[in-house]
Amino acid sequence: NAGVTQTPKFRVLKTGQSMTLLCAQDMNHEYMYWYRQDPGMGLRLIHYSVGEGTTAKGEVPDGYNVSRLKKQNFLLGLESAAPSQTSVYFCASSGPGLHTGELFFGEGSRLTVL
Amino acid sequence: KQEVTQIPAALSVPEGENLVLNCSFTDSAIYNLQWFRQDPGKGLTSLLLIQSSQREQTSGRLNASLDKSSGRSTLYIAASQPGDSATYLCGPSFNFNKFYFGSGTKLNVKP
Repeated sequence: NAGVTQTPKFRVLKTGQSMTLLCAQDMNHEYMYWYRQDPGMGLRLIHYSVGEGTTAKGEVPDGYNVSRLKKQNFLLGLESAAPSQTSVYFCASSGPGLHTGELFFGEGSRLTVL
Repeated sequence: KQEVTQIPAALSVPEGENLVLNCSFTDSAIYNLQWFRQDPGKGLTSLLLIQSSQREQTSGRLNASLDKSSGRSTLYIAASQPGDSATYLCGPSFNFNKFYFGSGTKLNVKP
């Protein structure tokens, strides 16, 4: 009963390096989201997807790219990491079905950019 | 942009007290509303989901109500316990797949 799984859980990068965060869900959800959580700023939506092959910008998309090649996976990429991207990143999913409209979160990925 | 406000920002109570956490939002055209719990260093765990056609939901010692016309939701915790200590976030959605969040109420229940 995995739900939403994020990898890696922790990562330290140097400024300018690139990396990809992977989110996988096993609930057959159509919708997937990437948020960042910063102290005093709450949760902010980076990008989201309404189905396989689709992506859309959220509130704070600059510096990030995403892909949804398979329905169960949603990847978040940082092409050239900056210290301002130090944050905790959360993936979430929702969709029609037994829990229509309910949002499920992963455990988070803590990223530090030096 | 939808504004979601949670009051109080922090709350410290002795064990056994009943307490109320408040959430207000700016748009009454709500799709549904979830209350989440977040423990330090962890993800968000869904506590209760209230659909737009409902007025309240209950799970154990938790009861959440929704008043769309006034743009408010409350989370009532009965007989609080130290294990209830966490941050509680309110998350209304205004269509099927757009969610917004308050900054949360940090609850500390003292033994």
